[in-house]
Amino acid sequence: DSGVTQTPKHLITATGQRVTLRCSPRSGDLSVYWYQQSLDQGLQFLIHYYNGEERAKGNILERFSAQQFPDLHSELNLSSLELGDSALYFCASSVAPGQGETQYFGPGTRLLVL
Amino acid sequence: ILNVEQSPQSLHVQEGDSTNFTCSFPSSNFYALHWYRWETAKSPEALFVMTLNGDEKKKGRISATLNTKEGYSYLYIKGSQPEDSATYLCAFTGGGSNYKLTFGKGTLLTVNP
Repeated sequence: DSGVTQTPKHLITATGQRVTLRCSPRSGDLSVYWYQQSLDQGLQFLIHYYNGEERAKGNILERFSAQQFPDLHSELNLSSLELGDSALYFCASSVAPGQGETQYFGPGTRLLVL
Repeated sequence: ILNVEQSPQSLHVQEGDSTNFTCSFPSSNFYALHWYRWETAKSPEALFVMTLNGDEKKKGRISATLNTKEGYSYLYIKGSQPEDSATYLCAFTGGGSNYKLTFGKGTLLTVNP
């Protein structure tokens, strides 16, 4: 158990809908990262927050947004969902931003868009 | 575009065999190389972070080496056990203010009893 929690574990929804994925980092970690694992793709970086502020964006679609709250939990909002958004979404946390910092991964949310 | 390549894609070994996998990454602007172990239905588990050329890390029967000049890392498993069956991921972070991990697609290891 990495200490990172994500809810829900599974989500089934329809095209055009909007969902919110939630992540609570390990106690004491200020950085939260979101990754997407699609079929046949490696883990792809989406976005990074540190202490409530966005620090870096990766291949995140405009239909997706995220935020980190004062209690450091983070939410990833996915809207106007398409079939291709079906994937496993991970969040990871680390103590602080740093290329040598270990990122600890949560169990993931498996999203299925029908 | 950063490419992190892992080989082989999959590997079947017998219990007790020793094995190794390769991760290649850009040698320029290197900062750190991470190895993760990912079992089905679980979260990726951090194994090692290496930052210096020539680094060697060990955790039980698993060890890793790093060559930043030529851009590769090896992960070794000595005396494989069925519980070592998992996907082994490597990830690269480059210098600069972006702390994202760029992952390879992993090596799927199956250890047969």
